[in-house]
Amino acid sequence: KAGVTQTPRYLIKTRGQQVTLSCSPISGHRSVSWYQQTPGQGLQFLFEYFSETQRNKGNFPGRFSGRQFSNSRSEMNVSTLELGDSALYLCASSLLSGSGELFFGEGSRLTVL
Amino acid sequence: DAKTTQPTSMDCAEGRAANLPCNHSTISGNEYVYWYRQIHSQGPQYIIHGLKNNETNEMASLIITEDRKSSTLILPHATLRDTAVYYCIVRPDYGGATNKLIFGTGTLLAVQP
Repeated sequence: KAGVTQTPRYLIKTRGQQVTLSCSPISGHRSVSWYQQTPGQGLQFLFEYFSETQRNKGNFPGRFSGRQFSNSRSEMNVSTLELGDSALYLCASSLLSGSGELFFGEGSRLTVL
Repeated sequence: DAKTTQPTSMDCAEGRAANLPCNHSTISGNEYVYWYRQIHSQGPQYIIHGLKNNETNEMASLIITEDRKSSTLILPHATLRDTAVYYCIVRPDYGGATNKLIFGTGTLLAVQP
């Protein structure tokens, strides 16, 4: 079956702009999590959604937001982009919340100039 | 969440077993040990997890010491495609509340031909 699909794979933005990233989970998976990966901070948890509700949120400013739709697809948005937001944004899906066994997509690489 | 300590890097000859250690001396009774790996430019991949007993699947074996303060991930016959960063994660049983994972810096395993 198809894996986790993230779009776009690469994008370039300038400071102050906003960006929306999309994630389609594995069919039947209801939990979607987002992670940010940078060389300096490594992999950091952003937030998790399950059945359209945010279950958990990491330590990121309010400029980072997300949502999940009824078909389990998820989007994350970053507003007022800063240079430090340049990162690989990874989405992961899971059948249920709580299993710890996540299936990751290949990520969206964001460059902020 | 309990903290883990892993070597920064390791080498392994192709075809030999790769043994990746992880120290988690502050692990609590309800915390599981998870292993993920991340091949360059890809999202992390779940490998295996366990609580007390040793576990084996088609990818690897997980050996947890009796006092649970350390564990070893074993790749029985390493191939060049196993070159990746391996993350050892200690995760509480959240009772289904969340899929949150806290990644450390991991071990870069380089499989040599």
